[in-house]
Amino acid sequence: ETGVTQTPRHLVMGMTNKKSLKCEQHLGHNAMYWYKQSAKKPLELMFVYNFKEQTENNSVPSRFSPECPNSSHLFLHLHTLQPEDSALYLCASSQDLTEQMNTEAFFGQGTRLTVV
Amino acid sequence: AQKITQTQPGMFVQEKEAVTLDCTYDTSDQSYGLFWYKQPSSGEMIFLIYQGSYDEQNATEGRYSLNFQKARKSANLVISASQLGDSAMYFCAMRDPLSSNTGKLIFGQGTTLQVKP
Repeated sequence: ETGVTQTPRHLVMGMTNKKSLKCEQHLGHNAMYWYKQSAKKPLELMFVYNFKEQTENNSVPSRFSPECPNSSHLFLHLHTLQPEDSALYLCASSQDLTEQMNTEAFFGQGTRLTVV
Repeated sequence: AQKITQTQPGMFVQEKEAVTLDCTYDTSDQSYGLFWYKQPSSGEMIFLIYQGSYDEQNATEGRYSLNFQKARKSANLVISASQLGDSAMYFCAMRDPLSSNTGKLIFGQGTTLQVKP
């Protein structure tokens, strides 16, 4: 496979469940991101990992727990979520960009999460 | 703080016609990058075109071009010869200069484009 792959594509979970979202990129990138896309709201950056180290946590509640075991894989562990956490969760990757502003981020197809 | 504004929640265009999607941005930095992404109903964000703040010419990629007016802080996307497959949501984004080493993008609210046959 090429590009950025996210699994599962759809997930329905209860508020007491624990689940994980997985993202894998085959592009040789060093930076990976989690974004949340809620209805009628701009994409919100959640976490940034650069060379496996978390460089940004955008005030995300602790019920979302990211994990980046290597530069190719990124997980988002979910527990005790709320109905308002229902959204499309998008993973993205890009090159490390110390000098290059023009390198785009590549996105996966997202996981559509519904919390019931 | 950096901000992207897309004022058109929805747009219609006739097939084969051209359409302009508006984007304005706010930043105090001199060096920044602007991106347009397309999001079809499948959910994936597809990169379309990039404009750097120091680029003297408007960016073009096939049927996509960017009308970049730096003084007005606008970066409108022009799609020529619209096709039915262009129906999607379109997002304008800016690379956050404060986080340029990680590629963080700031997105606008998006514009839904529907192409009519």
